[in-house]
Amino acid sequence: AIQLTQSPSSLSASVGDRVTITCRTSEAISSDLAWYQQKPGQPPKLLIYDASSLQSGVPPRFSGSGSGTDFTLTINYLLPEDLATYYCQQFNSYPRTFGQGTRVENK
Amino acid sequence: EVQLVESGGGLVKPGESLRLSCAASGFTFSSYYMNWVRQAPGKGLEWVSFISTSGSYIDYADSVKGRFTISRDNAKSSLYLQMNSLRAEDTAVYYCVSGSYRLDHWGLGTLVTVSS
Repeated sequence: AIQLTQSPSSLSASVGDRVTITCRTSEAISSDLAWYQQKPGQPPKLLIYDASSLQSGVPPRFSGSGSGTDFTLTINYLLPEDLATYYCQQFNSYPRTFGQGTRVENK
Repeated sequence: EVQLVESGGGLVKPGESLRLSCAASGFTFSSYYMNWVRQAPGKGLEWVSFISTSGSYIDYADSVKGRFTISRDNAKSSLYLQMNSLRAEDTAVYYCVSGSYRLDHWGLGTLVTVSS
């Protein structure tokens, strides 16, 4: 199974900050990567697919980049509603696998 | 509006069985691959299983292979997960999720607790 490692596991940021989360895969997956946001008590929500495509309805302050084994999720100008846990997920092969999550907290 | 509504969760003892259901609406269910994804309390996400549109292609996580069976009824727009020989480590919220590549729509989940 392809392993995904996110860093950092958690971070503290202030409103207005630019936040960057990375996801590294154990083998190359082209651009077959998605990012999800999960708030407490809610299911995950798809933000980014194909590494850099913004899901419909997601604010453009979210962006994704990368290919191969190294990927990045960036939140430009963090808002209070962005405080959540973020997961990357590969869809290059089965079993589908997720990163361990990155918790974004208020500084 | 896409809706996925899970049901069937509950408290069971180790070794017992449970069948989860997911009722889909708001989209052409028969055209979508479907998945089950679970999340143990306070933990991350774990993909459990997928089923293709016709049910011809199925796969499972190693952690549930041989114990869980996924199925679907396109006429009823419903997805199922038969869970046998349940273990404490199967305790989780189970989400019904649409998508073959990206997982684009998620239900609210149903909690399965395995405890003696």
